[in-house]
Amino acid sequence: EVQLLESGGDLVQPGGSLRLSCAVSTFTFGSFHMNWVRRAPGKGLEWVSTIDASGVDTYYADSVRGRFTVSRDNSKNTLILQMNNLGAEDTAIYYCAKSGHCGAKCSSFDDWGQGTLVTVSS
Amino acid sequence: DIQLTQSPSFLSASVGDRIVITCRASQGISSYLAWYQQKPGKAPKLLIYSAFTLQDGAPSRFSGSGSGTEFTLTISSLQPEDFATYYCQQLDSFPITFGQGTRLEIK
Repeated sequence: EVQLLESGGDLVQPGGSLRLSCAVSTFTFGSFHMNWVRRAPGKGLEWVSTIDASGVDTYYADSVRGRFTVSRDNSKNTLILQMNNLGAEDTAIYYCAKSGHCGAKCSSFDDWGQGTLVTVSS
Repeated sequence: DIQLTQSPSFLSASVGDRIVITCRASQGISSYLAWYQQKPGKAPKLLIYSAFTLQDGAPSRFSGSGSGTEFTLTISSLQPEDFATYYCQQLDSFPITFGQGTRLEIK
C-alpha cells in the first residue's frame, strides 16, 4: 500500500502564502497522476488540483486558479502545493491523493494522506 | 461544470438494514464515477470505482451500479463500522467534482 504524508499546514494571515508538501512512499511515484482535495469545516470534499505523472499538465478548480500552483519532484517522490493570496475561504484540511488507473481518464483517487490543516485568520 | 447531486443527504438506519444512496450527474459521465467513505477525523477511503468495481479490500456488502447520469451505492447489510459520510465523485472531465455527501447515522 502506498503511504502519503502531508505537511506544511499552519495558521496564516489573510493574503499570506503557504507551501504544502506530500511525501509519497513508492518507487513508482513518477507513474501516477496526483491530486489535492480539501474539506472546509462543516463542508464536503472539494477537488483543488491535479498534476499528471510527468508534471507537464496541471488542472485547477476555479476557486484557486491563479493563486495556487501544483508541482512535483519525481526524484524526491514529493508533491507540492504553493498557495498564495490566501483567504478565509481557503481554511480547510488539505489531502493529497494518488490517482488510480488512468487511461484516457482516471478511475479514482485510490490512496489518500491523512491531511494537513490550513487555517487562514487574522 | 458537472454537478453531482446525492440523495438522501442524511439517512438514519439500523444495523442489518439494506440502504441505497443515489448520485445524479447533470450530464452524462459514462462510468467515470467513484464512491468514497469518510469517517470523522479520517481521510476518505475509496470503495467503488468505474461505477461498479469494488476496490481491493473494500467489503463485498458494498456495491455500485449505473452509468450515464444515474448511479447508486448499495450497502447490503449495514455493519456498525459503516456509519460514516459517503461521497460520489465524477472523473469524466475537469473540474473533477464531488457530490455534497450523504451522512449515514445509526437509528
